[in-house]
Amino acid sequence: NAGVTQTPKFRILKIGQSMTLQCTQDMNHNYMYWYRQDPGMGLKLIYYSVGAGITDKGEVPNGYNVSRSTTEDFPLRLELAAPSQTSVYFCASSTSLATTTDTQYFGPGTRLTVL
Amino acid sequence: AQKITQTQPGMFVQEKEAVTLDCTYDTSDQSYGLFWYKQPSSGEMIFLIYQGSYDEQNATEGRYSLNFQKARKSTNLVISASQLGDSAMYFCAMRVNTGRRALTFGSGTRLQVQP
Repeated sequence: NAGVTQTPKFRILKIGQSMTLQCTQDMNHNYMYWYRQDPGMGLKLIYYSVGAGITDKGEVPNGYNVSRSTTEDFPLRLELAAPSQTSVYFCASSTSLATTTDTQYFGPGTRLTVL
Repeated sequence: AQKITQTQPGMFVQEKEAVTLDCTYDTSDQSYGLFWYKQPSSGEMIFLIYQGSYDEQNATEGRYSLNFQKARKSTNLVISASQLGDSAMYFCAMRVNTGRRALTFGSGTRLQVQP
């Protein structure tokens, strides 16, 4: 059981380039999230999805796009990369059960540098 | 909107001693969950412990326990018998149990365990 996987682990982009961060979970979770973590800070929500075909913005969505065509996959697209997007990106998933105790499972993160 | 405050940027503790990491939160929701995550230098987010807003007992998980004071809106993490491997960043987070169910994180506390 792999849990939440992310690729790539590291990436360096030039200003203006685009890329897609991949996220896959094998736990059949409905809820999926993208967070970014800037140096010395906590995580901030970029986008989230409550199921296939349904996505919405979080706190810091500017410069990003997402799609959710399947339950398993939730890619994050960066268009026209800027130095301000240098960060560590975490994907997470959780169930949508009525129980309140379920936690979010995090992927290992993608460290992105924009130069 | 939810807010998490961690007022201790860094803490030192001697090996085998106990340490308390502070966390206060703010929300107008009645049903929510409080989480603590550990982030070692390798960068992954490791779930430690959970407390529900309606839980009457303080949560415990092995050497981790929470001092949950709902009226004061605080949920402090207590690590007993500190080990060198406990050196890491610790994040407090909360999630309301409706809507997007995303986590709101504090800025973290860096714990260093000294031999």
